[in-house]
Amino acid sequence: GALVYQYPRRTICKSGTSMRMECQAVGFQATSVAWYRQSPQKTFELIALSTVNSAIKYEQNFTQEKFPISHPNLSFSSMTVLNAYLEDRGLYLCGAREPGLGASQNTLYFGAGTRLSVL
Amino acid sequence: GDSVTQTEGLVTLTEGLPVMLNCTYQSTYSPFLFWYVQHLNEAPKLLLKSFTDNKRPEHQGFHATLHKSSSSFHLQKSSAQLSDSALYYCALGSGANTGKLTFGHGTILRVHP
Repeated sequence: GALVYQYPRRTICKSGTSMRMECQAVGFQATSVAWYRQSPQKTFELIALSTVNSAIKYEQNFTQEKFPISHPNLSFSSMTVLNAYLEDRGLYLCGAREPGLGASQNTLYFGAGTRLSVL
Repeated sequence: GDSVTQTEGLVTLTEGLPVMLNCTYQSTYSPFLFWYVQHLNEAPKLLLKSFTDNKRPEHQGFHATLHKSSSSFHLQKSSAQLSDSALYYCALGSGANTGKLTFGHGTILRVHP
């Protein structure tokens, strides 16, 4: 089956520092990886969509300068939160998409997330 | 643009009663709909996804039917179980193959004895 692992599961960083989170797809080829943030007040906010061998597309209110993403191969992606502040707290979810047609091409398999706390 | 509406934030049920969680959507392109279930401190897991040929997807007793006429994909189950208590998200995928899913705000389902 399709599994996605994220690590670390939890992390705490000081305000103004940076932290990196990783996402590993197992059992399938993750041609695309979507990074979401799930905060207590909001639903899933899409940060960016990364497709291997294509430019990374960031959503409005999210930038490469703040959330640089690396997606070097079909099983791994990482994202860094630079200069983290209180508003960056939340659960960061990685959703990996397998290649396919129809509904399958839009199906995301999620990791358990990296919960970021900022002091 | 694309949007998903889940009208109930919290649904509380007695075990054994039927479940229905509402989901309506607005889509620019041909829609694909999904239901994800998230238990505490776990990853959101895919529960159901819509088909294009009017088949009704079913999983773990849950089912949902995509009605394009009413732009709905309500989640149903005939008899709720205690273990069904979780957070349920309806999500919309765009037929434009962007790989982007738009999520609703989620519905908490609490099943009590």
